[in-house]
Amino acid sequence: ELKVEQNPLFLSMQEGKNYTIYCNYSTTSDRLYWYRQDPGKSLESLFVLLSNGAVKQEGRLMASLDTKARLSTLHITAAVHDLSATYFCAVEGVRYSGGGADGLTFGKGTHLIIQP
Amino acid sequence: DADVTQTPRNRITKTGKRIMLECSQTKGHDRMYWYRQDPGLGLRLIYYSFDVKDINKGEISDGYSVSRQAQAKFSLSLESAIPNQTALYFCATSEIDRVDNTGELFFGEGSRLTVL
Repeated sequence: ELKVEQNPLFLSMQEGKNYTIYCNYSTTSDRLYWYRQDPGKSLESLFVLLSNGAVKQEGRLMASLDTKARLSTLHITAAVHDLSATYFCAVEGVRYSGGGADGLTFGKGTHLIIQP
Repeated sequence: DADVTQTPRNRITKTGKRIMLECSQTKGHDRMYWYRQDPGLGLRLIYYSFDVKDINKGEISDGYSVSRQAQAKFSLSLESAIPNQTALYFCATSEIDRVDNTGELFFGEGSRLTVL
């Protein structure tokens, strides 16, 4: 059974600070996804990481993937209030020969509050 | 208009009632999914479908059934709703990217169900 663990689950930080959210998963996978969810809203795709060593950056967010360690990180640089949200990482399940996967397995999410 | 549309967006019902949540998409994707979100538990997969003739159980399918009426429509039914099915339900779609071979999910706005 694929397990995805995020930590921390809750994070309160001040604007201007840096921090990292960690995502560990229990099986071999070279595809990892990060999503953002605002309160009461849907999930918005942030990053798709497709291979070992992949690094992607968008504004103050940077995501990386280490498939050997089964670890992905989401780094926040000089946080601003607008980044307050819940962040989810997700890993693909079984990948079939036809290229499909049986959906994504999600972590429990990291609830991030950035205070002015 | 949203690419993935869920109806109803909010529903309050009583124990024992039959409920159907509907999802339609204009993205032209073959793969559709139903997830359930509970506070502190992240998202859990209920059912998924790779095409109209291929429906599969997810992690938590007990108490739920689905119907794939067409490529663009995937409905979730609760035959006899119970209070612990109170949750936020998301429909999602995906299509394998032939270049990157990713299974990125695209989510609807969610359907909030309360069972009294």
